[in-house]
Amino acid sequence: EVQLLESGGGLVQPGGSLRLSCAASGFTFSTYVMGWARQAPGKGLEWVSSIISSGGSTKYTDSVEGRFTITRDNSKNTLYLQMNSLRVEDTAVYYCARVLSGTYDVGDYWGQGAQVTVSS
Amino acid sequence: DTVMTQSPATLSVSPGETATLSCRASQTVGSNLAWFQQRPGQAPRLLIYAISARASGIPARFSGSGSGTEFTLTIRSLQSEDVAVYYCQQYNKYNKWPTFGHGTKVEIK
Repeated sequence: EVQLLESGGGLVQPGGSLRLSCAASGFTFSTYVMGWARQAPGKGLEWVSSIISSGGSTKYTDSVEGRFTITRDNSKNTLYLQMNSLRVEDTAVYYCARVLSGTYDVGDYWGQGAQVTVSS
Repeated sequence: DTVMTQSPATLSVSPGETATLSCRASQTVGSNLAWFQQRPGQAPRLLIYAISARASGIPARFSGSGSGTEFTLTIRSLQSEDVAVYYCQQYNKYNKWPTFGHGTKVEIK
């Protein structure tokens, strides 16, 4: 059974940093593209970032480019999202997702999410 | 970015009836269209990809259709467990970035 478990969320002040982790199990993590999506309170979904299986290529939505960094440790079956220079508008539930094979940004399995609140 | 417009915003359907959800793209997305279900308090769940391919474990009463810029998700024999918000997503690599619609909320009448 595919399982994705996010951790590291919390309350942070504007301009602060936070690192999310996603522990994966139930599949061969090192062979899948992985990604992060988010959902602001009462809003829809937004795809935030993707990373290929080797970690050698990443992409980001414009609003987080230069502030967020996605990485992975295939030896630990763990995905990360380092979030710097956080803004109020980054407040959201952040979901870790395994990406559907043959695509780069369609999540076929999602974690339960980690709440990130940016507020003074 | 490609704007995805879903209609209606809310749909009330009687149990056992059929729900028809629409999704329109501001530019062609080819066959790169997916549908997700998000039940209250839960994470999204992939239902359909490539317009009409059902994801693993998805019942046959969920079906997708359409082409180019106009797409439809059909839910037959609606059940109480189908109460959720449904999102479409385009993932055409030529359209800069994947984008989601704002969702259609399906309720039981």
